[in-house]
Amino acid sequence: KAGVTQTPRYLIKTRGQQVTLSCSPISGHRSVSWYQQTPGQGLQFLFEYFSETQRNKGNFPGRFSGRQFSNSRSEMNVSTLELGDSALYLCASSLAKGTSSDEQFFGPGTRLTVL
Amino acid sequence: AQKITQTQPGMFVQEKEAVTLDCTYDTSDPSYGLFWYKQPSSGEMIFLIYQGSYDQQNATEGRYSLNFQKARKSANLVISASQLGDSAMYFCAMREGVVGYSTLTFGKGTMLLVSP
Repeated sequence: KAGVTQTPRYLIKTRGQQVTLSCSPISGHRSVSWYQQTPGQGLQFLFEYFSETQRNKGNFPGRFSGRQFSNSRSEMNVSTLELGDSALYLCASSLAKGTSSDEQFFGPGTRLTVL
Repeated sequence: AQKITQTQPGMFVQEKEAVTLDCTYDTSDPSYGLFWYKQPSSGEMIFLIYQGSYDQQNATEGRYSLNFQKARKSANLVISASQLGDSAMYFCAMREGVVGYSTLTFGKGTMLLVSP
């Protein structure tokens, strides 16, 4: 079974630009979550999508948005990039069993650098 | 308040020795799950072990075991017989029992360095 894939793996943008990151979950997984990882703030939850609907959202500005397609693939978009958006963006998928044991499988991440 | 606290920014251990990575958590939900992930320098988060709040026994997965002390709200990871490949960041994470949500809350992590 293929794991979670994320594209692109590396990205360099300049301030003010916008960026779209893509995540393909493990086959059969219906939930996709996005996390931002920075040295200062650690791992922070961005949002979670389930059956094409955002059902949970972290404390990030509206410049961060996402969506999920009918095949469970997800994209996240960051508009008007700021230097502080430089981070590793991790995507995770899960079966969404609705229990506390629901394991999340992570992709390799997209490393975004904003210049 | 921090929901997951990892007090050790870095740990050093010699190869073949055991090491314990600390994790304390804070929740008022009776149903929760605790996870440990390993993150090598490549960046990918690798699932290691899971402990449910209602599990009677401590979880074990190969060389990994979880020392779960519910009353103290601690879930320490024990790695036996450390290997050079164990050098990585280790994160403790929690999911609280909100049905339908998959969100994990992570600690700040502990960097483990294994020396020959």
